[in-house]
Parts: sequence; structure tokens; C-alpha cells
Amino acid sequence: TQLLEQSPQFLSIQEGENLTVYCNSSSVFSSLQWYRQEPGEGPVLLVTVVTGGEVKKLKRLTFQFGDARKDSSLHITAAQPGDTGLYLCADQTGANNLFFGTGTRLTVIP
Amino acid sequence: KAGVTQTPRYLIKTRGQQVTLSCSPISGHRSVSWYQQTPGQGLQFLFEYFSETQRNKGNFPGRFSGRQFSNSRSEMNVSTLELGDSALYLCASSSQPMNTEAFFGQGTRLTVV
Repeated sequence: TQLLEQSPQFLSIQEGENLTVYCNSSSVFSSLQWYRQEPGEGPVLLVTVVTGGEVKKLKRLTFQFGDARKDSSLHITAAQPGDTGLYLCADQTGANNLFFGTGTRLTVIP
Repeated sequence: KAGVTQTPRYLIKTRGQQVTLSCSPISGHRSVSWYQQTPGQGLQFLFEYFSETQRNKGNFPGRFSGRQFSNSRSEMNVSTLELGDSALYLCASSSQPMNTEAFFGQGTRLTVV
């Protein structure tokens, strides 16, 4: 059974700081996705990465996929209160069928 | 266009009862999946439907079931509710099974007392 561990579990930082959260899998990802879930809402897709070593940028967010396709990181530059939420990585094992990680709950303090 | 709509948003049920949750996907989307989210277990896949057929099923007991109608709307049913079934139930839709983006609804918060 695949294990998807995210770290840290909780993170509280001041506005303007940088941060990195991690996602590690016990097996190779089929297709890695990152989601953000805000309170009272469903998860929203941020990015999909498929190729080992791939780096994608989305404004202040930088996503990196490990060469071996078993780990990933999400780096946020100059965090803002609007970045607050639960960050989830997921393996899209097939179809509309996602295996989610344990999540990192980020709080950005104004 | 309208997003994924889940009803009801909140529900309180008693142990032993059964419950039905509803999900209306984005117009034109034919794939609907259901997930359970709890603080202890996180977000877990329940099942996926496409064109009224169940394509995949997660590791949940048979008390959890679902169906999809010809208009792609889906329902999930939980029978003989247990306290541990208290969770946020999320529905996600995509245009086809192999589409890379799933759009989630706001969820139904079920509390079993």
C-alpha cells in the first residue's frame, strides 16, 4: 500500500516569510498533483507534474518533482494571508481517482 | 459555469440510521468521484462513477454505496451509520475518467451522534 507523507504537518509563519513543504511517497508517483483546500471548501488543483525533475512555477509558488518521481516540494515566496489553507499532494493513480497525502496545514499571520 | 453542487451542506444523523448525499457535477462532466475527509484518516477515495457505471472503489465497507444517474448526477448512501462515519464527504467531477483535473464541491458535513 502506498504511503504519502507530508511535512511539516502544521506550519505557522509571518506574512512575507518564505516556506517549503514536502511530499514523500513510498512508491513512484503515477502523476503528482498539489491541491490547496481552504476552510469550508473542497480542494482546488494548483498544479500537475508528471516528469521527474520537473519544476513548475505559479506566481509565488514553485513546485519541484524529484528525479526519481517519489518526492516533491512546494515553495512559497513572500507568503500572504491568502495562502492560508491545507496543502495536499495527491497521486493520480488513474481516472478521477486520487490518493491523497496527509496534508500540511499552513497559517500565514498578517 | 456552475461548479460542483453538493446537498445538503450539513447533516446530523443518529447511529444506525442511513443517509443519502447528492452531487451534481459540472455541466458536461460525466465522471464523478466521492471522497471522505476526516482529521484522523485525511482524504480517502470512496468510489468513482462514469456513465452510470462504477469504475473504481476504495477500501470502504459495503455500508457505503453509490450510484450515478443518466444526467450524471450522483448519490452516495451510507447505511447503519456509525460514529466513525462523521466526516466531510466531498464529490469531484471531471469531464472524462482520464482527465487530469478534478473539480471538487464544497462537501457535505455529516455528523453522527
